[in-house]
Amino acid sequence: RKEVEQDPGPFNVPEGATVAFNCTYSNSASQSFFWYRQDCRKEPKLLMSVYSSGNEDGRFTAQLNRASQYISLLIRDSKLSDSATYLCVVGGYGGATNKLIFGTGTLLAVQP
Amino acid sequence: EPEVTQTPSHQVTQMGQEVILRCVPISNHLYFYWYRQILGQKVEFLVSFYNNEISEKSEIFDDQFSVERPDGSNFTLKIRSTKLEDSAMYFCASGLGAGDQPQHFGDGTRLSIL
Repeated sequence: RKEVEQDPGPFNVPEGATVAFNCTYSNSASQSFFWYRQDCRKEPKLLMSVYSSGNEDGRFTAQLNRASQYISLLIRDSKLSDSATYLCVVGGYGGATNKLIFGTGTLLAVQP
Repeated sequence: EPEVTQTPSHQVTQMGQEVILRCVPISNHLYFYWYRQILGQKVEFLVSFYNNEISEKSEIFDDQFSVERPDGSNFTLKIRSTKLEDSAMYFCASGLGAGDQPQHFGDGTRLSIL
């Protein structure tokens, strides 16, 4: 099983749509969870940290289910500028490390 | 907003040559990292550095690789004898704390080995 697994997409959605991405991770001792965004050939940029209580930042909502080892990201009212690859990232993998483990990313294309 | 800066943005080198990639992490950060991303693949961890020493390294980070923090601001990655398969985007990252803190990435150095 992959350490961090995501559907690669692409997700093609019209402007204004709501889109949801899911991610699973294999090591239950992982400590921290993030969504990063990566534009083509650019660096990963932190979108948001993910907490068990769920957290929201404007149009973006992230959720963590530790029991199912499942992380989600919901984007409401999609904009053209949301088009990017969304990276599910797990930190403290196995509990004894600071390194980040990246998923392969989910490609989102928002259409006008 | 403070950011991680990397130089050069693109480095082209002959196979077998040494390269040094440079990074200036965010000034109050304590943890420093190098990652790489081969074209079309996921971002992979190379090495972490804390308190002036390597705290963890991956299998990729073999004897050809080394890191250094030569002064209070720079953080460098050296590849001693480059191979074709070292061609990738190399990202430096820094973080305030340990595994529960997010890491902030520089805009990368594209390394092309000929």
